[in-house]
Amino acid sequence: LAKTTQPISMDSYEGQEVNITCSHNNIATNDYITWYQQFPSQGPRFIIQGYKTKVTNEVASLFIPADRKSSTLSLPRVSLSDTAVYYCLGTGGLDYKLSFGAGTTVTVRA
Amino acid sequence: GAGVSQSPSNKVTEKGKDVELRCDPISGHTALYWYRQRLGQGLEFLIYFQGNSAPDKSGLPSDRFSAERTGESVSTLTIQRTQQEDSAVYLCASSPDRESYGYTFGSGTRLTVV
Repeated sequence: LAKTTQPISMDSYEGQEVNITCSHNNIATNDYITWYQQFPSQGPRFIIQGYKTKVTNEVASLFIPADRKSSTLSLPRVSLSDTAVYYCLGTGGLDYKLSFGAGTTVTVRA
Repeated sequence: GAGVSQSPSNKVTEKGKDVELRCDPISGHTALYWYRQRLGQGLEFLIYFQGNSAPDKSGLPSDRFSAERTGESVSTLTIQRTQQEDSAVYLCASSPDRESYGYTFGSGTRLTVV
């Protein structure tokens, strides 16, 4: 499994864009980058996954440069309800043991 | 059901007692996982079930922990002779197959050992 490093916490205000960068220097060729979101008292929720370049869905965008040693999750125009812990994971092949670190706690203020 | 259901949502038990936690995965999901999450920490893998294959128990922290799953349905995680360090949220997740990373997690069971 790729080891990932991400900031412990980030603060933002409503309406701003939040960008969380994750480092994964030893990512394997067949690894994907997957992000989960976890609200208090809930299990993590899958939000986006990508291999390289850019992926966008209704929740977020994921940017992965050509060298794939890092990735950036972008949350556009955050609201108070986006306050959560965001986890970056390297996932690949048949390794199903997802490795969740401490994640990034994003706090959105009014 | 529509999502992964776990019960009970909260459990307080006395040290030394046995507890049983239940997980109902999404219908049709062949893969089922148990994780443990201590306060303020990430998730710790415990055990994995895939169809009728032998489960991967490599994450179970001690022989006091065991889990069962009947076919592709309900799973139970049992902790015997609970200790205070067992206090955590126990999360269950399911996915359509082992290569699918769109896991769906339940809301967990918060276990407090007093």
